[in-house]
Amino acid sequence: QSALTQPLSASGSPRQSVTISCTGTSTDVGDYNYVSWYQQHPGKAPKLLIYEVSKRPSGVPDRFSGSKSGNTASLTVSGLQAEDEADYYCSSYAGSNTFVFGTGTKVTVL
Amino acid sequence: QVQLVESGGEEVQPGGSLRLSCVASGFVFNNYGMHWVRQAPGKGLEWVAYIWYDGTNKYYVDSVKGRFTISRDNSKNMVYLQLKSLRTEDTAVYYCAKSPLSSQTIDYWGQGTLVTVSS
Repeated sequence: QSALTQPLSASGSPRQSVTISCTGTSTDVGDYNYVSWYQQHPGKAPKLLIYEVSKRPSGVPDRFSGSKSGNTASLTVSGLQAEDEADYYCSSYAGSNTFVFGTGTKVTVL
Repeated sequence: QVQLVESGGEEVQPGGSLRLSCVASGFVFNNYGMHWVRQAPGKGLEWVAYIWYDGTNKYYVDSVKGRFTISRDNSKNMVYLQLKSLRTEDTAVYYCAKSPLSSQTIDYWGQGTLVTVSS
């Protein structure tokens, strides 16, 4: 149950793209297509952005996209906007009804 | 709309106990599994526990096994987290969260309740 590894920070200018990686193991990210991504603004609850690697809940802009290769998942935010500045967390199903979150990435819009 | 409202967080001494509560509305509560997730001050999210829709099965992160107990009362649309033998490292905002049908994710979160373990 070790946390998934994410970069501490990422940044981009408005209208640019930023990609955040999320590295796990063969027993979590690599074993299941149940990777999710959450956005958290300061003092707020997390919000689901992506589930099952690349699916978006209704209401989430298509600027947010997800993918996975092997033990690493990725979130890409295209066309960065000021309101995208937040913390982003990945999570993965880890079997036996347990879950693991990533270490979190702070995204700054320059 | 889905609403999850936590309560019960407070300051407690190491070794103490506490019960957190979460009332759910806006969905058919007894159809869905529920989670507790915590976040220490300035730190990342940590999944804590999960309970099946009917309460028959419960799962925990290793660091809380034997100390925390998740339960639910479907007649009251409530989910609980009993915390015992609290340690300073349990200090965190505790979020109640909902699982969707047929997918391993968390789709809705409450606003959280703060538990502070300090002497």
